[in-house]
Amino acid sequence: GQQVMQIPQYQHVQEGEDFTTYCNSSTTLSTIQWYKQRPGGHPVFLIQLVKSGEVKKQKRLTFQFGEAKKNSSLHITATQTTDVGTYFCAEVLQAGTALIFGKGTTLSVSS
Amino acid sequence: DAGITQSPRHKVTETGTPVTLRCHQTENHRYMYWYRQDPGHGLRLIHYSYGVKDTDKGEVSDGYSVSRSKTEDFLLTLESATSSQTSVYFCAISESGSDTEAFFGQGTRLTVV
Repeated sequence: GQQVMQIPQYQHVQEGEDFTTYCNSSTTLSTIQWYKQRPGGHPVFLIQLVKSGEVKKQKRLTFQFGEAKKNSSLHITATQTTDVGTYFCAEVLQAGTALIFGKGTTLSVSS
Repeated sequence: DAGITQSPRHKVTETGTPVTLRCHQTENHRYMYWYRQDPGHGLRLIHYSYGVKDTDKGEVSDGYSVSRSKTEDFLLTLESATSSQTSVYFCAISESGSDTEAFFGQGTRLTVV
């Protein structure tokens, strides 16, 4: 079964508030990826994290990989209505094979 | 967007009939994947391919088979469709496996009645 757990499942925020989604695994992850899916759309790659404790930023989005490589987070600062969608983390099953996705966190933003 | 085309985009079929979904890529990527997406379950891997005629099962492979006779095409077949296979199916490709980003197709919405 799935090894990555994502929380929360749903989150509603007011525009301008911050948002964080967490991805947790019972095993050590080699690599984790994050994707965004807009309503009615397909998943789109955001970023890949490989190193323990790694932090990467994309404008208002901050991605972190835990020191033990068992968890990861995505933080959005000052959400906008364009941030609406479902955010998925995905773990590498084995190097060179397939991605296993978490169930996702669906973000809604009201203006 | 990467060159991935899924066909058909929508299909309604009856229980017990065979159904084949097609994924076509123009990127010459080695890896191709089929996922299904259902409310509350996220994206679940059905089958994947790591080369022509090289395929492996994912976490929800029962009731599905795949074939890859050419680099550019990956077919997903439901031998005898059931209502539990009503879902949105996504094909994805990646250049060198799970350590590179995956590009997704637009999805196929399949309804089994």
